Amino acid sequence: DQQVKQNSPSLSVQEGRISILNCDYTNSMFDYFLWYKKYPAEGPTFLISISSIKDKNEDGRFTVFLNKSAKHLSLHIVPSQPGDSAVYFCAASARNSGANNLFFGTGTRLTVIP
Amino acid sequence: DAGVIQSPRHEVTEMGQEVTLRCKPISGHNSLFWYRQTMMRGLELLIYFNNNVPIDDSGMPEDRFSAKMPNASFSTLKIQPSEPRDSAVYFCASSLIRLSGGYNEQFFGPGTRLTVL
Repeated sequence: DQQVKQNSPSLSVQEGRISILNCDYTNSMFDYFLWYKKYPAEGPTFLISISSIKDKNEDGRFTVFLNKSAKHLSLHIVPSQPGDSAVYFCAASARNSGANNLFFGTGTRLTVIP
Repeated sequence: DAGVIQSPRHEVTEMGQEVTLRCKPISGHNSLFWYRQTMMRGLELLIYFNNNVPIDDSGMPEDRFSAKMPNASFSTLKIQPSEPRDSAVYFCASSLIRLSGGYNEQFFGPGTRLTVL
């Protein structure tokens, strides 16, 4: 049973435009959310995170939005660059329950077209 | 910093054979995680260790899977006997869990691509 869902397996965006990647979760105990980026033949690398006490976190071109009532988060990349082409995984954690493990979605493959 | 090291990077084996995947976490990290990546289920947590002790192995699919962490710098994931449906990429990740709380980023290794024929 997937507790974290990424319903779009792929997304193509023109260079310079905005990329929006979406993620939904079902477990109301989740209180920390992360995005990981993965290039082929490499392990996922941490990109950006957000705590459930916030609704937005920004880091350069990357912004994560959290809508707790809808159990939804999104990652915005502006402007998109060809080097952003990768698989993006959404992950969630129930930190306040003492758990250290992450629950991942199935990933969204982003292709930024030059 | 060498990062998380996994070996082998690729493994091709025949059904019924034993497979052992190895992981060396980042020095000083006290938690280690084994994940499996498939197209259908994304990244699934198989098992994780804190201070070399298995904490949650509920993700281990069957008794054919076992994991050990004999010391802070080494862990193995064993599949015996292997089956074609075990074909996937297996990732190891490590983290430093602080008692003071806060988020503890997980650092992933490059993965082992396993193919069971």
